[in-house]
Amino acid sequence: EVQLVESGGALVQPGGSLRLSCEASGFTFSRHDMHWVRQAPGKRLEWVSGVTGAGDTLYADSVKGRFTMSREIARNSVHLQMDGLRVEDTAVYYCTRGGVWGVSSNWLDPWGQGTLVTVSS
Amino acid sequence: EIVMTQSPATLSVSPGERATLSCRASQSVSGEIAWYQQKPGQAPRLLIYGASTRATGIPGRFSGSGSGTEFTLTISSLQSEDFATYYCQQYNNWPPLTFGGGTKVEIK
Repeated sequence: EVQLVESGGALVQPGGSLRLSCEASGFTFSRHDMHWVRQAPGKRLEWVSGVTGAGDTLYADSVKGRFTMSREIARNSVHLQMDGLRVEDTAVYYCTRGGVWGVSSNWLDPWGQGTLVTVSS
Repeated sequence: EIVMTQSPATLSVSPGERATLSCRASQSVSGEIAWYQQKPGQAPRLLIYGASTRATGIPGRFSGSGSGTEFTLTISSLQSEDFATYYCQQYNNWPPLTFGGGTKVEIK
């Protein structure tokens, strides 16, 4: 069974840092693009960042320079280091699997259960 | 950035009726669009990819159509478990991957 499990969400003050993690199982992790997508309360889904199967990382403009995505192939994991957090970063953060790099496209399936990040003083 | 616009924002439908949801892209995305279902407190679930291909385990009452900039998700006969919010997403031109604002399907 393909599974994604996120961890690391918490309450943090503006300007603070947080590191989210996502552990994957049930598929060949290294071949797939992986993404973080967030959803603020009552809002639409927003793509945050992705890492391709080739190891390239990409970011939304809203987080570029503040967030860093990485992957650990040996641990079938991706991480999202979030620095300089703002109130508007408050959201549920989902880890999700994209396509096989160079073979299939980035529809997103499956999704983890999400982890809540709250930025507030 | 490709902007995805969904309509209507809310759709009131009786069980057993057909629901038709629309998604428009600000520029052509060919057929590279996916549809997701999200229920309150849950993660999104993939329904359709490639504009019209059902994901594994998705019932036949869900169908997708369209190309270029105009797309439709149809639920042929609404079941109680189908009342949820539905999002479209384009993956033709990224970053960024972009989502529509969602259509909430509620019980009439």
